[in-house]
Amino acid sequence: DVKVTQSSRYLVKRTGEKVFLECVQDMDHENMFWYRQDPGLGLRLIYFSYDVKMKEKGDIPEGYSVSREKKERFSLILESASTNQTSMYLCASRRQGDNQPQHFGDGTRLSIL
Amino acid sequence: KQEVTQIPAALSVPEGENLVLNCSFTDSAIYNLQWFRQDPGKGLTSLLLIQSSQREQTSGRLNASLDKSSGRSTLYIAASQPGDSATYLCAVSNDYKLSFGAGTTVTVRA
Repeated sequence: DVKVTQSSRYLVKRTGEKVFLECVQDMDHENMFWYRQDPGLGLRLIYFSYDVKMKEKGDIPEGYSVSREKKERFSLILESASTNQTSMYLCASRRQGDNQPQHFGDGTRLSIL
Repeated sequence: KQEVTQIPAALSVPEGENLVLNCSFTDSAIYNLQWFRQDPGKGLTSLLLIQSSQREQTSGRLNASLDKSSGRSTLYIAASQPGDSATYLCAVSNDYKLSFGAGTTVTVRA
């Protein structure tokens, strides 16, 4: 079974802090994704990485950056956290290819105070 | 822009009844459609993926159909159980990107 592990289930930070969310997958997948999920807005794509050191902006990249130095790890960075970034963050990975399913981690519920 | 709609938003059924969950999408140029399950406060579990060339896909008590030309998919869950209570999300794929519906929250009453 594919395992996508997010480093924290719950995280509380203060406005202005730099926040790191980590995601690790164990299936040698090329593609990795970061989403946020908010009530009434559903899941929205923040960033996507199709391979090591490669990244593309999703629908809502503002206020975020990402890092993919190793194939198995994809980090989401909140450069200066703000209260409107309080959300559930979900990481996913998949094998490269048109009909490969995305596999999700358990999510990180991030609160910015 | 791809729009994905799931109706109804919530559904409550007695145990043993069959579940029918609907998903519609506006752009039929999709690669595939994926159904997910989400338990409260948790991530998404992939249930089924239907490729655009397929009409249906089955896994155990789950069966999903796809009518790409009309922009519709239906997830059937046979003989529902209380453990099936969760939110079910559909997502359509255009290239790497998934566009998600808002989900249908299912409650199966014992």
